Amino acid sequence: DAKTTQPPSMDCAEGRAANLPCNHSTISGNEYVYWYRQIHSQGPQYIIHGLKNNETNEMASLIITEDRKSSTLILPHATLRDTAVYYCIVRPIYGGATNKLIFGTGTLLAVQP
Amino acid sequence: DGGITQSPKYLFRKEGQNVTLSCEQNLNHDAMYWYRQDPGQGLRLIYYSQIVNDFQKGDIAEGYSVSREKKESFPLTVTSAQKNPTAFYLCASSINRRDRGYEQYFGPGTRLTVT
Repeated sequence: DAKTTQPPSMDCAEGRAANLPCNHSTISGNEYVYWYRQIHSQGPQYIIHGLKNNETNEMASLIITEDRKSSTLILPHATLRDTAVYYCIVRPIYGGATNKLIFGTGTLLAVQP
Repeated sequence: DGGITQSPKYLFRKEGQNVTLSCEQNLNHDAMYWYRQDPGQGLRLIYYSQIVNDFQKGDIAEGYSVSREKKESFPLTVTSAQKNPTAFYLCASSINRRDRGYEQYFGPGTRLTVT
C-alpha cells in the first residue's frame, strides 16, 4: 500500500474553509484515496473517497491533483464539531481478501471559535 | 438503528487476566475487523474476518485471539500473553458499496486499562 504524509496539526477559524493536504507520491493507478476522521475517543467515520476526479458530498470536497500524487480535503464551512483527527488513506480498488485500511497518524484539525 | 456496538466502553483488569471485548453488528456485513489505537497513534489491525468461521491475523495479532461463530459477532480476547494490553480497541465491519467503495463502519470503541 502507498504511504501518505499529512501535517500533524492545523488550525482553522470557525466558519472558514479548512483545507487539509495529503501527499501520496507513490500511489499507483489502481488505488483510491480515502478520507476518514476521528473525533476524540470515538471510532473513525468515513468522509469521502476518490480515484482521479474531484469529488463532493454533503460533508466535504476532495481535490486530487492531475498526477494523483497529492490531494486536499476541503471542509467548506468548518464548525467546532469538525475538530478531529483526519486520516488520508490510500487503498487498492480491488482490496482482495484483506480489504484493510492502513491508518497513519493523521492531521489534528482544531477549529477555533 | 443499524450499527456496531461495543461493550463495555471502559474496562479495567488486573495484569495476568484474560479479558474479552464484545463487538456486535446488525448491518449484515460479511467482514469484521479489530484495531488497536495507542495515544497519539493511528489504528493498527489486530485480526480480521471476511466470513463466518474464518479469520486472519492482522499486523499485531500476538497476544490476542478471536472467534467468528456468527455473522453478527466478532469478540476479541486479550490474553495475558499480550505485553501491553492497555489501549483503545475499535471494532469495524465493511461492505462494498457502489458509492463508497469498501467503506468501513466503526464502533464506539472500548478503552481497556490493565494494571
